[in-house]
Amino acid sequence: GENVEQHPSTLSVQEGDSAVIKCTYSDSASNYFPWYKQELGKRPQLIIDIRSNVGEKKDQRIAVTLNKTAKHFSLHITETQPEDSAVYFCAASLSNFGNEKLTFGTGTRLTIIP
Amino acid sequence: EADIYQTPRYLVIGTGKKITLECSQTMGHDKMYWYQQDPGMELHLIHYSYGVNSTEKGDLSSESTVSRIRTEHFPLTLESARPSHTSQYLCASSDGGRFSPYEQYFGPGTRLTVT
Repeated sequence: GENVEQHPSTLSVQEGDSAVIKCTYSDSASNYFPWYKQELGKRPQLIIDIRSNVGEKKDQRIAVTLNKTAKHFSLHITETQPEDSAVYFCAASLSNFGNEKLTFGTGTRLTIIP
Repeated sequence: EADIYQTPRYLVIGTGKKITLECSQTMGHDKMYWYQQDPGMELHLIHYSYGVNSTEKGDLSSESTVSRIRTEHFPLTLESARPSHTSQYLCASSDGGRFSPYEQYFGPGTRLTVT
């Protein structure tokens, strides 16, 4: 089955600086890579996702890059703000009509220092 | 408002008790999932369903069972609770790509403590 590794497990950055979280996956057939944000005591929410036919995707201050050859993908947050503090989870899936089973990484606790 | 609901939100029970965690969604989604998560830690898939009368075990071995008799309802049952079952249980659903491809929407979770 799929195995997803995520680094770092904790990350502290100064407000306004950038944060980068990296994930690697094991199954070369995986084709869908979402990122979820979970604030303290809240439910996980999708913030951005990317398909294997795309190398990069941006949405305002967040971006995700995918390197299929190396089997890794990264989340980039620019101009960080206090509300970015949360646990971030990457995931991988072989999405194939009727099969959207996600394998999650172990999470990164991001703290924004004011 | 379309949402996904879980009850109870908190539950403390004794060892050996049978419990059912409820999950309902009003989003019209076909696919539903159960995850186990220790606070702030990795999400482990324990069960999933792609529609009525369809259930599968996930990647994490679990002593729980699920049923899917109605599209909107996906309860999880523990026949005999043990302290090792203490965790948070998150229910999720997705529409399988009809409108927002593959996004999973999570419920608020049930925090279970077995004494």
